[in-house]
Amino acid sequence: GQNIDQPTEMTATEGAIVQINCTYQTSGFNGLFWYQQHAGEAPTFLSYNVLDGLEEKGRFSSFLSRSKGYSYLLLKELQMKDSASYLCAVRPTGTASKLTFGTGTRLQVTL
Amino acid sequence: EAGVAQSPRYKIIEKRQSVAFWCNPISGHATLYWYQQILGQGPKLLIQFQNNGVVDDSQLPKDRFSAERLKGVDSTLKIQPAKLEDSAVYLCASSLGRDDSPLHFGNGTRLTVT
Repeated sequence: GQNIDQPTEMTATEGAIVQINCTYQTSGFNGLFWYQQHAGEAPTFLSYNVLDGLEEKGRFSSFLSRSKGYSYLLLKELQMKDSASYLCAVRPTGTASKLTFGTGTRLQVTL
Repeated sequence: EAGVAQSPRYKIIEKRQSVAFWCNPISGHATLYWYQQILGQGPKLLIQFQNNGVVDDSQLPKDRFSAERLKGVDSTLKIQPAKLEDSAVYLCASSLGRDDSPLHFGNGTRLTVT
């Protein structure tokens, strides 16, 4: 089975940098995804990691360490519109592409 | 490209009634998923289709939930009879089905069972 842990809530200031951590335990691993979900809306894809290291995409970066079962999402130059839930999801091996999601981290950006 | 379409957007029913949700995936996406998202939680997979065949329905409460994707495109998810604990957002997603393919979600159907 899979177990995915994320902090429940975080607060950060506009313009700052925030790091959202995700740890996972899985019987097999075939990639890790981060999604953003605004209240009342659908999750939208942010990033994908399958090899160790950092993937950068504009203000957002995602890091993966497979040996440690650990990932983080880094958000730079925070904006008010970044207030949302951030979902970590793992794609186990042999699952024909399904994703298993964590409970999500609700980020509030303040002035 | 057009996104994943779902309807209805909202539905309120009484317990023991039945309800159906509809999903039209992104054109060309062979893999379709139904997820249930209870308030404050992450999405939980109910069922996954590859074309018109079921790949995974291990977490589908089969005594009350059913789903089909008859022609390998549109899909419907049905609940009969509904229980209070079925109140949730039902999300449909589709993907190309490759290891590096993200899931693309529809806006979901918010179900309230009273």
